[in-house]
Amino acid sequence: NAGVTQTPKFRVLKTGQSMTLLCAQDMNHEYMYWYRQDPGMGLRLIHYSVGEGTTAKGEVPDGYNVSRLKKQNFLLGLESAAPSQTSVYFCASSSRGVVLSGEQFFGPGTRLTVL
Amino acid sequence: GENVEQHPSTLSVQEGDSAVIKCTYSDSASNYFPWYKQELGKRPQLIIDIRSNVGEKKDQRIAVTLNKTAKHFSLHITETQPEDSAVYFCAASRVEEYGNKLVFGAGTILRVKS
Repeated sequence: NAGVTQTPKFRVLKTGQSMTLLCAQDMNHEYMYWYRQDPGMGLRLIHYSVGEGTTAKGEVPDGYNVSRLKKQNFLLGLESAAPSQTSVYFCASSSRGVVLSGEQFFGPGTRLTVL
Repeated sequence: GENVEQHPSTLSVQEGDSAVIKCTYSDSASNYFPWYKQELGKRPQLIIDIRSNVGEKKDQRIAVTLNKTAKHFSLHITETQPEDSAVYFCAASRVEEYGNKLVFGAGTILRVKS
């Protein structure tokens, strides 16, 4: 049981380049989330998904797009990277459960640098 | 929307002493309050959480208290050990039918000196 995994672990982009971050979970969780973590600011929600084929905006969605074509995968895309998107990106998942469960399980993170 | 403030930003304690981290939230509809521990370069991991229908919860050396009227909650760590050194984040959300959108505090760096 790998839990939540993310690829890649590190990436360096030039301004204007595009890339996709992949998150995968093997816990059959309904809900998945993308956060970014910047120094002194905690984690901020970018986008989230409550099920296959559905996505919604979080606190800081501008400049990002997401897709959830399969229940176990949640993709985060940057179409035209900017230096302000330099951050550590965490994916998380949670179960709906019989009684709504709040616990989110995090992936190991992707460190992205945009030059 | 929800806003979570966390204090202090850094906390240094002597091994064996207690540590207390406090958070306030703004949305009275929030009903779930987790605490995450993050070691350097690692992922956040849940250490304890509390629901709004409970005032206090304890797990060995860790406890969380919630005051719904004042909209604040606190993490208490007793008999601190060097391995407790990490960044601690509080968060608040409404766990509901359509997801659980956590809003995090800015974090507290806890240093336990041996």
